[in-house]
Amino acid sequence: QSFLSQPPSASGTPGQRVTISCSGSTSNIGTNTVSWYRQVPGSAPKLLIHSNNQRPSGVPDRFSASKSGTSASLAIRGLQSDDEADYLCATWDGSLNGLLFGGGTKLTVL
Amino acid sequence: EVQLVQSGAEVKKTGESLRISCKGSGYIFNNYWIGWVRQRPGKGLEWMGIIYPGDSDTKYSPSFQGQVSISADKSIGTASLQWSSLKASDTAVYYCARLSGVPVAVGWDNWVDPWGQGTLVTVSS
Repeated sequence: QSFLSQPPSASGTPGQRVTISCSGSTSNIGTNTVSWYRQVPGSAPKLLIHSNNQRPSGVPDRFSASKSGTSASLAIRGLQSDDEADYLCATWDGSLNGLLFGGGTKLTVL
Repeated sequence: EVQLVQSGAEVKKTGESLRISCKGSGYIFNNYWIGWVRQRPGKGLEWMGIIYPGDSDTKYSPSFQGQVSISADKSIGTASLQWSSLKASDTAVYYCARLSGVPVAVGWDNWVDPWGQGTLVTVSS
């Protein structure tokens, strides 16, 4: 199974703003909305953003996201040490009858 | 609180059968698709398939068609993932997750939330 393309790693210092990109194709991101998930190693993923840019209740407004064409990005401002985790994007893929996930970006707070 | 609670870790031998479960609570279980996702050690998330408990309509990802069986028992609010003959390559954490979403002008607006806590399946010879 293929994955949406994400950089394997990203980093920043406390207080900084970091962005994580997610690239797909016209048949997936180009057609459907994007969601983002945060996964701490050893735990289940948790929803961070849905519908391209909507934060569920409880997700701080430090997290924002956008989509343009066949790419999407997640931005985290005011980086905190407990933001360290893997961040994954996802979009619907009709050929899978389900969500196609990105490979994940490991965020390190220096 | 909307919650999915999965069955516990399993250790099996190759060739054995296995069923793991995912119990929903805090919402009308019949009205939402439930998806299953595989995560092999150190690897990414792979979509396996989905089931609509209301009528047991089931759709599989091509990579998993014929490899696993997804079912649901709406009377007890539980979805299941089943193998008839496990392989070592089935060693992974398996997550269930509730699918939400709506059709949009073109395409779909879909996401999964919440996720179960995961079930670790270890298969050895």
